[in-house]
Amino acid sequence: EPEVTQTPSHQVTQMGQEVILRCVPISNHLYFYWYRQILGQKVEFLVSFYNNEISEKSEIFDDQFSVERPDGSNFTLKIRSTKLEDSAMYFCASMAGTYNEQFFGPGTRLTVL
Amino acid sequence: AQKVTQAQTEISVVEKEDVTLDCVYETRDTTYYLFWYKQPPSGELVFLIRRNSFDEQNEISGRYSWNFQKSTSSFNFTITASQVVDSAVYFCALIFVRIGFQKLVFGTGTRLLVSP
Repeated sequence: EPEVTQTPSHQVTQMGQEVILRCVPISNHLYFYWYRQILGQKVEFLVSFYNNEISEKSEIFDDQFSVERPDGSNFTLKIRSTKLEDSAMYFCASMAGTYNEQFFGPGTRLTVL
Repeated sequence: AQKVTQAQTEISVVEKEDVTLDCVYETRDTTYYLFWYKQPPSGELVFLIRRNSFDEQNEISGRYSWNFQKSTSSFNFTITASQVVDSAVYFCALIFVRIGFQKLVFGTGTRLLVSP
């Protein structure tokens, strides 16, 4: 069964460093997402990506964040200069079409020291 | 505004008990979809069910059942004869759709602890 994959599973970084979180969505899906879950809290929308561009972003997704789909399979989230409060689980999700269910990857746990 | 409320923060039951997880939503849209996801201790988000606003029939899948009531804006989830493996955080979510964009709006989740 196709699934969304994410790497790495856990990333530890120093404050101010750049990190890139990687995702491989399900191959025939058209919509791609990043969500964030601070430990013990709810899952929050960060950004959506469709037709090779950002379709919407939340207020959390400031200039320190960027997304890319560099080729036909990968979807990345970059945080340019990490802050302590960026520590969270980051989930990638993909969706085939409007109103369909979003399938989530296993998440990347980011720890900023 | 789109909002999902899961008032139960944590529920503890003993194996084989039935348990109902509550979900109340707010939306001004006439067409919308509701979802339940399970987050086991390993951390991933597992899709359980999608329900559209025009279909109020209850759904049953094995030990799981869902009760959708538009009149009370609720989409409750019942696990019958709970098992230890059901221990997880369960999230209810509502889809927010605008032209060219949609996202999931999650509730705060209910942690279910099933003890042997």
